[in-house]
Amino acid sequence: EIVLTQSPATLSLSPGERATLSCRASQTVRNYLAWYQQKPGQAPRLLIYDSSNRAAGIPARFSGSGSGTDFTLTISSLEPEDFAVYYCQQRINWPPGTFGQGTRVEIK
Amino acid sequence: QVQLVESGGGLVKPGRSLRLSCTASGFNFSDYYMSWIRQAPGKGLEWVSYISISSNNKDYADSVKGRFTISRDNAKNSLFLQMNNLRAEDTAVYYCAREGVAADSWGQGALVTVSS
Repeated sequence: EIVLTQSPATLSLSPGERATLSCRASQTVRNYLAWYQQKPGQAPRLLIYDSSNRAAGIPARFSGSGSGTDFTLTISSLEPEDFAVYYCQQRINWPPGTFGQGTRVEIK
Repeated sequence: QVQLVESGGGLVKPGRSLRLSCTASGFNFSDYYMSWIRQAPGKGLEWVSYISISSNNKDYADSVKGRFTISRDNAKNSLFLQMNNLRAEDTAVYYCAREGVAADSWGQGALVTVSS
């Protein structure tokens, strides 16, 4: 089973700052990686698929990069609504499409 | 717009059964694989099961294999999860999700609580 490790566990930043979230896979997933955002009490929402493609309706401040085992989600300038938990998911061995444990982006 | 609505959650005793439903609208349900994904209280996301368009292919997480059964009714735009022999560790919010380029649409979730 492919294990995804996200870092950091928590990121404390201020609105307007840049957020950089990492996801590392235990073996290559090529570019088959997705990112999701989850706000409290809500379902997750797809942000990025295939490492770098924004899902429909996702603002341009969200970008994804990486291939193989190392991936990054970048939020160029944090808006108040971006404070949430972010999960990565590998899709190369789907199912099961394992998820990372999540990174919480909180207001500093 | 795409909408997925889960129902059937609730409080159930260990060893009992529960059936979740997910009703889809706003897209051609019979064009998509579907999944169930769950989230235990305060925890991360765990994929539970998927089903192919024609129901020919299904798979389950090891943690639920032999106890849960996924099914769908394309004529009724509906997805189901039959959960038998429930355990305390099955307590979670259960989401149905449309599988497009990824899990690109999610329902609001159904809370299942397994407790005596």
